[in-house]
Amino acid sequence: EVQLLESGGGLVQPGGSLRLSCAASGFTFSSYGMTWVRQAPVKGLEWVSSISGSGAGTYYPDSVKGRFTISRDNSKNTLYLQMNSLRAEDTAVYYCVRFGSGSNAPFEYWGQGTLVTVSS
Amino acid sequence: DIQMTQSPSSLSASVGDRVAITCRASQSISNYLNWYQQKSGRAPKLLIYAASSLQSGVPSRFSGSGSGTDFTLTISSLQPEDFATYYCQQSSSNPRTFGQGTKVEIK
Repeated sequence: EVQLLESGGGLVQPGGSLRLSCAASGFTFSSYGMTWVRQAPVKGLEWVSSISGSGAGTYYPDSVKGRFTISRDNSKNTLYLQMNSLRAEDTAVYYCVRFGSGSNAPFEYWGQGTLVTVSS
Repeated sequence: DIQMTQSPSSLSASVGDRVAITCRASQSISNYLNWYQQKSGRAPKLLIYAASSLQSGVPSRFSGSGSGTDFTLTISSLQPEDFATYYCQQSSSNPRTFGQGTKVEIK
């Protein structure tokens, strides 16, 4: 059974930093691209970043480019999201998501999410 | 960026009703269109991928159709557990974008 368990969320001041982690199990971690998706309170879903199975390829939307860094440790089956220069608009539940197989794959499996609150 | 527009934003329906939700892309995305269901306080769940392929374990009352720019999610006979918010998402190119969601409520 695929399991994704996020941790590291919490309250941080504007301009601060936070690192999210996602522990994966139930599949061969290095074989799958991974992604982070966020959802602001009472809002829709927003793709935040993706990383290839090897970690060689990373992708970001303009809204977080230069502030967020996605990475992975395949020896630990763990995905990370380093978030710097946080803003109030980054407040959201952050989901760790595994891609399906192949190119143009959907977001197949989702973790339960971890809440990040950016506020003074 | 590819914009995804869903309609309606919300709908009220009764158990047993046939429900259709549409999603339009701002440019052609072939069949790279996925549908997700999100219940209150829960993570989204993949229902349909590649426009019309049913994810394993998803009931057959859910179906998807369309290609290019226009897509539809249909629930053939609405069940109590189907009241939720539904999102479309394109996987044609980055940034991967979602529709704004359609909330299905009990009439």
